[in-house]
Amino acid sequence: DSGVTQTPKHLITATGQRVTLRCSPRSGDLSVYWYQQSLDQGLQFLIQYYNGEERAKGNILERFSAQQFPDLHSELNLSSLELGDSALYFCASSVAGGLVDIQYFGAGTRLSVL
Amino acid sequence: TQLLEQSPQFLSIQEGENLTVYCNSSSVFSSLQWYRQEPGEGPVLLVTVVTGGEVKKLKRLTFQFGDARKDSSLHITAAQPGDTGLYLCAGAPGGNYQLIWGAGTKLIIKP
Repeated sequence: DSGVTQTPKHLITATGQRVTLRCSPRSGDLSVYWYQQSLDQGLQFLIQYYNGEERAKGNILERFSAQQFPDLHSELNLSSLELGDSALYFCASSVAGGLVDIQYFGAGTRLSVL
Repeated sequence: TQLLEQSPQFLSIQEGENLTVYCNSSSVFSSLQWYRQEPGEGPVLLVTVVTGGEVKKLKRLTFQFGDARKDSSLHITAAQPGDTGLYLCAGAPGGNYQLIWGAGTKLIIKP
């Protein structure tokens, strides 16, 4: 158990809908990362937050947004969903968000867009 | 754009065999991490290498960082079914907070 909690574990929805994925980081970790992983592929970095502020942005679509709340949990909002958005979405957390910090990953949310 | 290329993309071998997977780039990284991901779970960090030429061992796994810090390899001796998983490398480019991820090597060890 990494200590990072992601909910829900599975999500099935239809095209055009909006969903919210939730992540609770490890106790004491200030930085949260969001990744997208398509079937048997590597990780695509979406966005990173540190102590409530956006720190780095990757290949995140305009239809997607995220935020980190004062209690450090984070949410990833996906809107106007398309079939191609079906993927595993991982959240990771680290102590300070530095380059050599260990990132601890949650078990992921599997999103299926039908 | 910095890229990390992993090879092979897929490897299926018998228990007891040795194997090497590679992570290559034309760019220099300040450090490089290797992760293993099992089905239905998130990646788990195996090792971080920082110094050019560095070799780290984790039981039957040997990790090496290239002298120029552009490439890395993972060698597994006497592979076991428990080694099955997706192996991912991730490089830290200097002055940036974003790790660059390889696409992964899917490894299957058959009993």
